[in-house]
Amino acid sequence: EAGVTQFPSHSVIEKGQTVTLRCDPISGHDNLYWYRRVMGKEIKFLLHFVKESKQDESGMPNNRFLAERTGGTYSTLKVQPAELEDSGVYFCASSQGGTPRGEQYFGPGTRLTVT
Amino acid sequence: GNSVTQMEGPVTLSEEAFLTINCTYTATGYPSLFWYVQYPGEGLQLLLKATKADDKGSNKGFEATYRKETTSFHLEKGSVQVSDSAVYFCALRRGNQGGKLIFGQGTELSVKP
Repeated sequence: EAGVTQFPSHSVIEKGQTVTLRCDPISGHDNLYWYRRVMGKEIKFLLHFVKESKQDESGMPNNRFLAERTGGTYSTLKVQPAELEDSGVYFCASSQGGTPRGEQYFGPGTRLTVT
Repeated sequence: GNSVTQMEGPVTLSEEAFLTINCTYTATGYPSLFWYVQYPGEGLQLLLKATKADDKGSNKGFEATYRKETTSFHLEKGSVQVSDSAVYFCALRRGNQGGKLIFGQGTELSVKP
């Protein structure tokens, strides 16, 4: 069974540009989470999807970030326009449906560098 | 608010040394507690967990005990190996906040032969 995959693994963009990160969860997992680790600090929660619905987006830093999960399968996280402080590693995780308390399986992350 | 504090790294040990990584938390109620590990080039993996006070989680020789009185969940291993070199994250999850995990800043462990 394939794990959680993320694309790209690394992205370098200039300030003001747009970047879209993609996450493919484990097949059949209804819950999908986005997290971010900035500058070696703690990993912070961004948002939680249940199928295609946003269950909790309390961690989204501002309106430059847009997350979607059309059809309840893969998810994208768009940053537009990117700022220097958006640099970090973006992790995606998924867990089985029925309860949000199932084990979360993480992808390898996307390292975003904004110059 | 809810938070997790870990000892700062990096931690460098010789093979077969004893490992302790301290983790304390702040949360109301009775959160579930976790240790995740990130090996180089890989995603986070759940290492162990405990869901109530005095529970001991264990896996791959690692152990951690949920101490409500000291709000701690320290990670220990009696004899580390080079293959244990990784970044370790302590995390909590509140029962009434869905699946959201709250992480500490991570502790990098390097084990030398």
